[in-house]
Amino acid sequence: AQKVTQAQTEISVVEKEDVTLDCVYETRDTTYYLFWYKQPPSGELVFLIRRNSFDEQNEISGRYSWNFQKSTSSFNFTITASQVVDSAVYFCALSEALNSGYALNFGKGTSLLVTP
Amino acid sequence: ETGVTQTPRHLVMGMTNKKSLKCEQHLGHNAMYWYKQSAKKPLELMFVYSLEERVENNSVPSRFSPECPNSSHLFLHLHTLQPEDSALYLCASSHRTEAYEQYFGPGTRLTVT
Repeated sequence: AQKVTQAQTEISVVEKEDVTLDCVYETRDTTYYLFWYKQPPSGELVFLIRRNSFDEQNEISGRYSWNFQKSTSSFNFTITASQVVDSAVYFCALSEALNSGYALNFGKGTSLLVTP
Repeated sequence: ETGVTQTPRHLVMGMTNKKSLKCEQHLGHNAMYWYKQSAKKPLELMFVYSLEERVENNSVPSRFSPECPNSSHLFLHLHTLQPEDSALYLCASSHRTEAYEQYFGPGTRLTVT
C-alpha cells in the first residue's frame, strides 16, 4: 500500500526564518511521482512541484527548494526567508496508478504559520 | 473562466435534502476527480473519471452519486447525507495518461444539519 507521512503537524516560524517541511513516502512502484501542494486559508489547493522517481536532482524555484532523496524515501520542502504569505497548509502527495490514469495519495499536511 | 471552478462554494443541507455539486474545468484535461477533505482525515479520493468513464469509486457510500456528462463537467449528487459527511469537497482535473499534476478547484464547503 502507498503511504505518505508528514510528521510535522504544525510549524510556527518568524518571518525571514528558513523552514523545512518533511515528507516520507512508501511505495513498491519503481516509477512514481511526488508532488507538493499549498492550501492557503481560501481552501484551494495550489500545485507547487512534481518530481518523478528517476530525477533526483534538487530543484529551486525562487525561495522554494526541494530535496528528493530516494535512498531515504524523502521529498522535503524548504522555504528560505519565509514570509507571512507563506502561511498555509502544505501537502505532500504520491501518485498511484489506477486502471486508467492516476490518483494522488496525500499526507495529512503540515500547517505552517509565519508571524511578522 | 479559467482553471477549475466549483459551485456552490458553500452549502448547508438537511439530512433529507437532495443537492448537487458542480465542477467545471477549462484546461482541456480528460480526467476529473472528487476528493473529500474533513478535519479528522487527510484528503480522500472519492471518484475518478477518465474520458467520462468512471474508473475508481474508492468504496464511497451510495448516498454520493457522481456524474460526468463530458470531459469538462463533473457533478456530485447528494442525497440523505449524514452529519459526518460535512466536509470540504474538492474537484480536480488532469491529463489522463500520465501522472500529471492535478489542478484543484476552490472546493464546496458542505454542512449537513
